[in-house]
Amino acid sequence: ETGVTQSPTHLIKTRGQQVTLRCSSQSGHNTVSWYQQALGQGPQFIFQYYREEENGRGNFPPRFSGLQFPNYSSELNVNALELDDSALYLCASSGLPGHPSGANVLTFGAGSRLTVL
Amino acid sequence: GIQVEQSPPDLILQEGANSTLRCNFSDSVNNLQWFHQNPWGQLINLFYIPSGTKQNGRLSATTVATERYSLLYISSSQTTDSGVYFCAVKSGGSNYKLTFGKGTLLTVNP
Repeated sequence: ETGVTQSPTHLIKTRGQQVTLRCSSQSGHNTVSWYQQALGQGPQFIFQYYREEENGRGNFPPRFSGLQFPNYSSELNVNALELDDSALYLCASSGLPGHPSGANVLTFGAGSRLTVL
Repeated sequence: GIQVEQSPPDLILQEGANSTLRCNFSDSVNNLQWFHQNPWGQLINLFYIPSGTKQNGRLSATTVATERYSLLYISSSQTTDSGVYFCAVKSGGSNYKLTFGKGTLLTVNP
């Protein structure tokens, strides 16, 4: 089975621009969540998508938005980029039906490293 | 929200040594996972362990939910064990959000 894949791996933007990050979930996983990891910190929860709807959100402003598609892949969009948005953005999927811990075990992708200048 | 504290923040070992990493959390949890983040940023799930003890090769973990802590044991450490180890929890009040600690940076020298 394929794991979680994210693209692009690295990108550089300037303040005020917009960015779209993409994530393909692990086969069979129906839930996708996004995390932001600043340098030297643990990942911080941004939001989670299930059945194409956001069903949980962390302490991030509305300029952070997302989508989930019928094939369970997902996008993270960030508008009006700020310098503090520079971070590693991690996507995680979960939710293998029938597995006792499947809905609780998150599988992470390798991340997209965003630099805002 | 729930607080997660990991100790020590940094740990330097010689190859072959054993180590114990600790994770304390401030509320009851229904999900606890240990991750290893490699130098390229990938988070690798080591254990799903909301309670009890599990072992996988040289690694083992124990969570004592009633006392709100978890321990990760690494035996006979290797240079490839280097990286950041994170503990992450979900509390009973949230069914979707993992809260991470700040991690333990482990360096294993040859």
